[in-house]
Amino acid sequence: EAGVTQFPSHSVIEKGQTVTLRCDPISGHDNLYWYRRVMGKEIKFLLHFVKESKQDESGMPNNRFLAERTGGTYSTLKVQPAELEDSGVYFCASSLHGGTGELFFGEGSRLTVL
Amino acid sequence: AQSVTQLGSHVSVSEGALVLLRCNYSSSVPPYLFWYVQYPNQGLQLLLKYTTGATLVKGINGFEAEFKKSETSFHLTKPSAHMSDAAEYFCAVQNIQGAQKLVFGQGTRLTINP
Repeated sequence: EAGVTQFPSHSVIEKGQTVTLRCDPISGHDNLYWYRRVMGKEIKFLLHFVKESKQDESGMPNNRFLAERTGGTYSTLKVQPAELEDSGVYFCASSLHGGTGELFFGEGSRLTVL
Repeated sequence: AQSVTQLGSHVSVSEGALVLLRCNYSSSVPPYLFWYVQYPNQGLQLLLKYTTGATLVKGINGFEAEFKKSETSFHLTKPSAHMSDAAEYFCAVQNIQGAQKLVFGQGTRLTINP
């Protein structure tokens, strides 16, 4: 069974450009999460989807970030326009159950904004 | 608000020595507690978790952690370190009421010396 896959693994863009990160959760997992780790700091929650609905988007930093999960399968996270402070590793995770259901994480997408 | 503090961003031990990674949390309600591990070029993997019941929790690869409510701690231990334990370890808490998101500590990078 395939795990959580993220694409691209690494993206280097210039300030002001747009980047779209993609996450494919484990098949059948209704819960999908985005987290971010800025260099040297803790991993921080961005948002949580249950199927195609945003359950909790309290961690989204500002309106330059847009997450979607059309059809309740894969998800995209778009950053537009990117700023220097957006650099970091973006992790996606999925779980079969909410609550204390185990989260399965992808390898992360590293974003570097120059 | 919940928070997690991991003492020591870097810990180095000799192969065969005791591994002790410290985690203290702050939470207004009893939380669920987790340890995740990230090996190089991989996603985060669940090591163990505490939800209810026995306060000493055993995880994969010989790791265990003890929930001490009075000390608000959830330290991770392994009696004898192996070279393959070299990785970054993350402690996390989850509010058992409401939000399902994880709150992570800053991570501890464990180095094993031969």
